[in-house]
Amino acid sequence: GAGVSQSPSNKVTEKGKDVELRCDPISGHTALYWYRQSLGQGLEFLIYFQGNSAPDKSGLPSDRFSAERTGGSVSTLTIQRTQQEDSAVYLCASSLAPGHVYGYTFGSGTRLTVV
Amino acid sequence: DQQVKQNSPSLSVQEGRISILNCDYTNSMFDYFLWYKKYPAEGPTFLISISSIKDKNEDGRFTVFLNKSAKHLSLHIVPSQPGDSAVYFCAASAQTGANNLFFGTGTRLTVIP
Repeated sequence: GAGVSQSPSNKVTEKGKDVELRCDPISGHTALYWYRQSLGQGLEFLIYFQGNSAPDKSGLPSDRFSAERTGGSVSTLTIQRTQQEDSAVYLCASSLAPGHVYGYTFGSGTRLTVV
Repeated sequence: DQQVKQNSPSLSVQEGRISILNCDYTNSMFDYFLWYKKYPAEGPTFLISISSIKDKNEDGRFTVFLNKSAKHLSLHIVPSQPGDSAVYFCAASAQTGANNLFFGTGTRLTVIP
């Protein structure tokens, strides 16, 4: 597609349930990033994928969070046993190449609400 | 630890006047800086960037200034237009090391017609 597509756009889940968030990056973009924005906070880096390299998971806040990227394209962010503090907007971005030079193209995000 | 800081959560400006959004950073390894603009229910979109080898970059109504010694950058919008009303994020990265951008908390700009 023309842009980065994320689904669902909104997700309400009960505390303790698992959720999966999907990101479909721009075709040909080798780099893919997940960020989240909690209320009143900046964008917090979660994880980065570049081609077939091992992902940079340094931003994942706990082992309840995991992500994969299949075939170098679609990525899924999974949060297990969700907690209320997981409520945030989860943003996916892709880039033509790693790093900042080309900038990121962000999706519209998934607003996750844990009740 | 917030390495990129935007200390003004909001700013209101009259249409036609200048908007100045500020950003401070703490990591001296940062050498590339970007501004993103975000409308409600949309992802941030890239606006303008500057490398640390420059102190100014201009693109139409938007100019970014970088003061490396003060670890400070600013975004100037002139003249401001109602369509500029959005949340503006400052971001920074290092050419080596980190694979990601570090973002500030954003400043909500409201341009009053």
